[in-house]
Amino acid sequence: AQSVTQPDIHITVSEGASLELRCNYSYGATPYLFWYVQSPGQGLQLLLKYFSGDTLVQGIKGFEAEFKRSQSSFNLRKPSVHWSDAAEYFCAVAPFSGGYNKLIFGAGTRLAVHP
Amino acid sequence: NAGVTQTPKFQVLKTGQSMTLQCAQDMNHNSMYWYRQDPGMGLRLIYYSASEGTTDKGEVPDGYNVSRLKKQNFLLGLESAAPSQTSVYFCASARGESGNEQFFGPGTRLTVL
Repeated sequence: AQSVTQPDIHITVSEGASLELRCNYSYGATPYLFWYVQSPGQGLQLLLKYFSGDTLVQGIKGFEAEFKRSQSSFNLRKPSVHWSDAAEYFCAVAPFSGGYNKLIFGAGTRLAVHP
Repeated sequence: NAGVTQTPKFQVLKTGQSMTLQCAQDMNHNSMYWYRQDPGMGLRLIYYSASEGTTDKGEVPDGYNVSRLKKQNFLLGLESAAPSQTSVYFCASARGESGNEQFFGPGTRLTVL
């Protein structure tokens, strides 16, 4: 079945530590890939996206993500987490079947940051 | 530039009541979307509009209807609210070309008693 999986529901890191949030997808053709962030009580904001080309993409707020076709993964990373990064992070895909215009979201990973 | 705005921010309904959630965008975007967000399930697409006057069902359209009479507005209707429709509803818009970034509104928190 077609799906987007974020295996970690909650992650807690210390401020200054590195971060990796996992995302796996299951679609026949490589979809377009996105990471969004949602701060408490807010809407979603795009962090970065991958369509094609260089498999390491840079986003806003110091985030980056790496597309690995062999693993059907698109993991989000940040070298040094700040307290303001505490939020919920959603991986999303835009599959070919939707004309790359409809997003399918993962369940989200809630990030807590310890001082 | 307000971006995507949603009204109301909060709403409490009784089972069987009807209401309309309103969404407006000032970015001249062609595509608009309605999602619902439930704990542990991410966001799920309810309806989608590729352009003024056109709408298409998403993953979870049952119990909802939509209207896109003007390019800047996308309305989500609940004809007979049910407790299962308790959720946070987000509207989004995009230019409409393949893979465009979707811009989200702040959400409407709906409780159906």
